[in-house]
Order: sequence, then structure tokens, then C-alpha cells
Amino acid sequence: GAGVSQTPSNKVTEKGKYVELRCDPISGHTALYWYRQSLGQGPEFLIYFQGTGAADDSGLPNDRFFAVRPEGSVSTLKIQRTERGDSAVYLCASSLLGGSGELFFGEGSRLTVL
Amino acid sequence: DQQVKQNSPSLSVQEGRISILNCDYTNSMFDYFLWYKKYPAEGPTFLISISSIKDKNEDGRFTVFLNKSAKHLSLHIVPSQPGDSAVYFCAASALRGGADGLTFGKGTHLIIQP
Repeated sequence: GAGVSQTPSNKVTEKGKYVELRCDPISGHTALYWYRQSLGQGPEFLIYFQGTGAADDSGLPNDRFFAVRPEGSVSTLKIQRTERGDSAVYLCASSLLGGSGELFFGEGSRLTVL
Repeated sequence: DQQVKQNSPSLSVQEGRISILNCDYTNSMFDYFLWYKKYPAEGPTFLISISSIKDKNEDGRFTVFLNKSAKHLSLHIVPSQPGDSAVYFCAASALRGGADGLTFGKGTHLIIQP
């Protein structure tokens, strides 16, 4: 597609459930990033992929969060045992090579944990 | 500990006047700075950037100024138009340090009054 695509756009789940959020980056972009934006805050870095490998996962808040990018294109962010504090907009971004600074963002997946 | 700070949560400017959005940073390793614009229910979109080797970058109505000694940058929009009403995020990157991903401020909500 022309831009970064994220699904679902909205997800409501109950505390303790498992959630998967999907990101389809711009075709040909090797770098993929996940960010989390809570209400009133700026986007907060979670994890960065260069190709299939996670080059930097220092932003993942704890071991309930995990992300994969098995074929170097689509990525899935996985959250286990969701908590109310996980409620946020999860943004995915891609860039052509990484390291250039300019990222292209998707519209985000709004997660609400009840 | 916020490494990128936008101290004005909101700013109201009359149409046709100049809008000035400010950003301060604390990490001296940052060497590349960007401004993103965000409309409701959309992902952030890249607006303009500046490398630390420059002190000014201009693109149409948008100009970014960087004062490295003060660790301060600003975005000037002139003349301001109604479509400029959005949340503006300042972001920084430490490219020379080899780190990827951007560190964002909390954003400033710009409101252009007709």
C-alpha cells in the first residue's frame, strides 16, 4: 500500500486477555518501529526492527510485551495478560533504511483495556 | 526524565500571524531534530527537520531554528493558516551515537483563530 497500515484501528479487551496488533509498513522499508502514545503524552519508543531482527527493544516496558517481524515486512506487537495501564494508541512507523530520523507513521491502533 | 520538553501544551494564534512553537532538550548526544504534525485520529506526519550542523532550515511557510548552546529549537509558521491547527511534536535523534528511533516531546496543540 501507499502508507503504513495498522489493524485493528480500535481494540477493546478485558484485563488479563491477550492482544495482537498488526503493522504493514511501506513496501521496501527495512526499518520498522513501534511506539506507544498515552493520553496527553508524546509517542514513546518501544522497539525497532532492522529487517527481521529486533535491533533495539529497550523501550518494551516489561516481558508481557513482545514483537515479531518474521519475514522482514509485516510486524505484530503482542501483549499478554493485558492491564488497564496498557490502554493507549500503539503507533507503527517505518523508514527506508533506518537511522535517517524521518519516520512514516500509521494511524495507530487504539487499545482499551477494561 | 523528559529529554525533549515542550513546555506549552497549547498555543492560540490569529490567522495570518506568525506561530512560534518551542522545544528544549537535555541530551547533548542529540544531533538531528524533527517536527511532526498530528491531526486527531491520524498518525503523526513529518513536517521539517534540522541537523545539528545547521542553525536554520526553511521549507515554504515553515522554518526551524536550532540553538545548540541553549539546547533549544523552535518552529516558525508564517503566515498561519486554519489548516495548521493540529498538535505539533518536537522529536530528536542521536544518529552519530548509532541509536535509532526518535525521542518525542509531549506536543503543543496549535489553534489558529479565524
